[in-house]
Amino acid sequence: ETGVTQTPRHLVMGMTNKKSLKCEQHLGHNAMYWYKQSAKKPLELMFVYNFKEQTENNSVPSRFSPECPNSSHLFLHLHTLQPEDSALYLCASSPWTSGDPKNIQYFGAGTRLSVL
Amino acid sequence: AQSVSQHNHHVILSEAASLELGCNYSYGGTVNLFWYVQYPGQHLQLLLKYFSGDPLVKGIKGFEAEFIKSKFSFNLRKPSVQWSDTAEYFCAVKAGSYQLTFGKGTKLSVIP
Repeated sequence: ETGVTQTPRHLVMGMTNKKSLKCEQHLGHNAMYWYKQSAKKPLELMFVYNFKEQTENNSVPSRFSPECPNSSHLFLHLHTLQPEDSALYLCASSPWTSGDPKNIQYFGAGTRLSVL
Repeated sequence: AQSVSQHNHHVILSEAASLELGCNYSYGGTVNLFWYVQYPGQHLQLLLKYFSGDPLVKGIKGFEAEFIKSKFSFNLRKPSVQWSDTAEYFCAVKAGSYQLTFGKGTKLSVIP
C-alpha cells in the first residue's frame, strides 16, 4: 500500500460515455500527476498539479479533463474517448514538483480502462 | 529533451540465475536515476535511486544498480533471481527542470 488510492481499478466504457477516474493520496503531498501506461510504450506524463494548480499539460487531447479540488484529490474526467485511449492510467503524488531529487513520486495501482 | 532506453523488452531466466537489465539515458548534465518495479496487478514502487556519491547503489530485495557516467548508463543487477522477482522493471531519469522520464520497461519472467 503506497498511500495513493485509485478508483475504480477497472473501467469499461463506450465511446459516447462520460466517466471519471479518482485518485486520493494520504501522504500529505502537494503535487499530483496523471500518467498513461500503454503496452510497449514508456509511461506518458499527462498532467501535473502543484498545490491544486495545473503546472503541466503534455498536449493531452481535450477529451481528458483533469480536476484537482485539493492537494489530496485528483480526478480525470473522460468523455467521447477513442479505442486507442484504452490503457492503464496511473496517478502519482510527491511532496512538490521542484527539481529536488528527493522529490520522489509514489504511485497508485492504476485504473485499467477499456474503451469499446 | 531527455530520453531513457531500456535494451530488453522481455527477459526470461531460471531461478538462481544472475540478472542484469540495461538502462541508458540521454542528458549531458546532472541526473537523478531511479529503478521502479511493478509486480503483476500492483502499483509501481521504487526499487532504488541514485542522487550522488557512491555510484553503486543498493536497493530493496537484493537489487543493486551502478551509475556509469561515461556510458550514460544505470544498469540494474541481482546476483540470484527468485520466482517472486517476476515483474516489470522501469528505469527513470530526472534531470534539470524536466519531469521524471521513464523507459519502456523490461518484463522479467523467472521460471521456477
